[in-house]
Formats: sequence, structure tokens, C-alpha cells
Amino acid sequence: DVKVTQSSRYLVKRTGEKVFLECVQDMDHENMFWYRQDPGLGLRLIYFSYDVKMKEKGDIPEGYSVSREKKERFSLILESASTNQTSMYLCASRTTSGSSSYEQYFGPGTRLTVT
Amino acid sequence: RKEVEQDPGPFNVPEGATVAFNCTYSNSASQSFFWYRQDCRKEPKLLMSVYSSGNEDGRFTAQLNRASQYISLLIRDSKLSDSATYLCVVNLFRWSSASKIIFGSGTRLSIRP
Repeated sequence: DVKVTQSSRYLVKRTGEKVFLECVQDMDHENMFWYRQDPGLGLRLIYFSYDVKMKEKGDIPEGYSVSREKKERFSLILESASTNQTSMYLCASRTTSGSSSYEQYFGPGTRLTVT
Repeated sequence: RKEVEQDPGPFNVPEGATVAFNCTYSNSASQSFFWYRQDCRKEPKLLMSVYSSGNEDGRFTAQLNRASQYISLLIRDSKLSDSATYLCVVNLFRWSSASKIIFGSGTRLSIRP
């Protein structure tokens, strides 16, 4: 079974803090994603990485950066957390080959509260 | 206009009923289509892919209408365990970069005993 893990289920940070969210997948997937999910807005793509050291901005990259130094790990960084970044953050991965290509596998999510 | 639109619901139906959701997409270059299911406070999981010819998986049937640019999900003989949010997902092919995955906001379904 594919497993995507996220470093924390719940996180509380103060405004202005630097926040690191870690995501690890164990299936050698090429693509990895960071989304945030807010009521009524659905999942919105923050950043996408199609391979190691490769990244592409999603729909809402402002205030975020990412790092992918190893294939299995994709980190989301909030340089200076703000209250409007309070949200559920979901990491996902997918392969680009084979019969299960395009299916995304999600981690359990990190509920971040910025006070 | 949103790229992928769904009726947010909630749909509240009795156990055993048949329920159908639609999802419309705006970009005709959309390449592949999926339904995901998300339980309360859980991550989304793939329910089924949607093929041009339509496909069925037990009580679930998915249809694609490229001409009208919508996909549908039909659930027959609904169970209490079907209560969840159903997300419509569209994969958009792009020549210049990696394909784009677009999620709908989800349709909430609640099955009552």
C-alpha cells in the first residue's frame, strides 16, 4: 500500500513564526503536491513538484515556499505565518507511469492554526 | 467561472435511495476524470476513475459527457457508510508543463436511516 505521511496532525503557531510541514511518501512517486483545504473552497494547490529539485507554483503560492531535495520528501515552508494561513494542509503524491498513473494518494493532513 | 463546479449539497437521502451528482468542467482540453471520496476529518481517497464509455463499480456508476462537459456519479441502494463528501477531479493536459489537476469543492452526501 502506498503510504504518505505528514509530520504533524495538529500544529499551533504564532504569527510571524517560520513553519515547516514535512511530507514523506514511500512509493518512489515522481510527483508530489501541497494543497490547502478550506470550507467552501475545496482543495487549492499551493505548490507541485514533478521531480527532485523541480517545483511549480500552484494556484495560491503566495506566502509559501517548498523544498524537494530527495524524491520521497516534499516540504512546505511558511516563511512568516499569518492568521489567514490557518487551514488544513494536505500532501499528495502520484506516479506518472503504469495503470495507476494520475491517482493521487493523500497524507492524513495537518491542521495548522496560526494565532 | 470555476474550472470545476459541483453542487455543494448537502444531499440528505434515506438509506436505500438512489442519488446522483453532477460536476461540470470548463476546459475542453481536460483529459481524465475522477471521483474522490472524503470522509469527515480524513484525507480524500480515489473512488473511481471516469472513462468515456462509462464505468461501474458495484453500486457506483460514473459517466462522462465530453460534449456537454460534465461527469456524473450515481450511487444505487445507498448505505449509511456512503455518507461523505464526493470530490470531482479533472486532469487537464498542458503542452508547456505538467498536467494540471483541478478539484471541485465537493458535494456533501448524508444518508439517513
